[in-house]
Amino acid sequence: GAVVSQHPSWVICKSGTSVKIECRSLDFQATTMFWYRQFPKQSLMLMATSNEGSKATYEQGVEKDKFLINHASLTLSTLTVTSAHPEDSSFYICSAGGHIKNIQYFGAGTRLSVL
Amino acid sequence: DAKTTQPTSMDCAEGRAANLPCNHSTISGNEYVYWYRQIHSQGPQYIIHGLKNNETNEMASLIITEDRKSSTLILPHATLRDTAVYYCIGMDTGRRALTFGSGTRLQVQP
Repeated sequence: GAVVSQHPSWVICKSGTSVKIECRSLDFQATTMFWYRQFPKQSLMLMATSNEGSKATYEQGVEKDKFLINHASLTLSTLTVTSAHPEDSSFYICSAGGHIKNIQYFGAGTRLSVL
Repeated sequence: DAKTTQPTSMDCAEGRAANLPCNHSTISGNEYVYWYRQIHSQGPQYIIHGLKNNETNEMASLIITEDRKSSTLILPHATLRDTAVYYCIGMDTGRRALTFGSGTRLQVQP
């Protein structure tokens, strides 16, 4: 099946720093990618929709200035957590696809720990 | 998207079939039933999806009732690696973001 690669898989950072997470579609082009967040023992929650060549669409309650999304090419979307704080510690997951047999493919996720 | 209801948790003995039910009584005619699973600390993995007919692939079988109000995911010979949270999702297309409910936590016992 199609592959979505996410990097890094795990990051620890100090409070106040920014962290960039990359999501790549390895064998297909993705005009749309999705970013989710998952807190411990909870389900995945959609944060935003990343659109190639245009602004991302954010879900209600997600701060666009804090979670910067850039989708500069058809195979890469990035999520930057700016001025990270301990409450931003979570598991971030991206997905892409849908045009191949109506299936969304997910990255392996990035575990962010903010100290 | 269709509202789905799944049991919170299930146990299954290793080597036996795992049958995971899902209720989607309000599903509309153009909505597919998708199944994904999430193994601990990993991204969700696609398993199977169907519209009206039963489906089978190398991972599982999907049985959809004739009235489409419920379905069952069958893992024919569960292994310890099948321990995961299984999500049943009703959607008209795979091109949109998925809405994840609580899913069913399947524990495969040795």
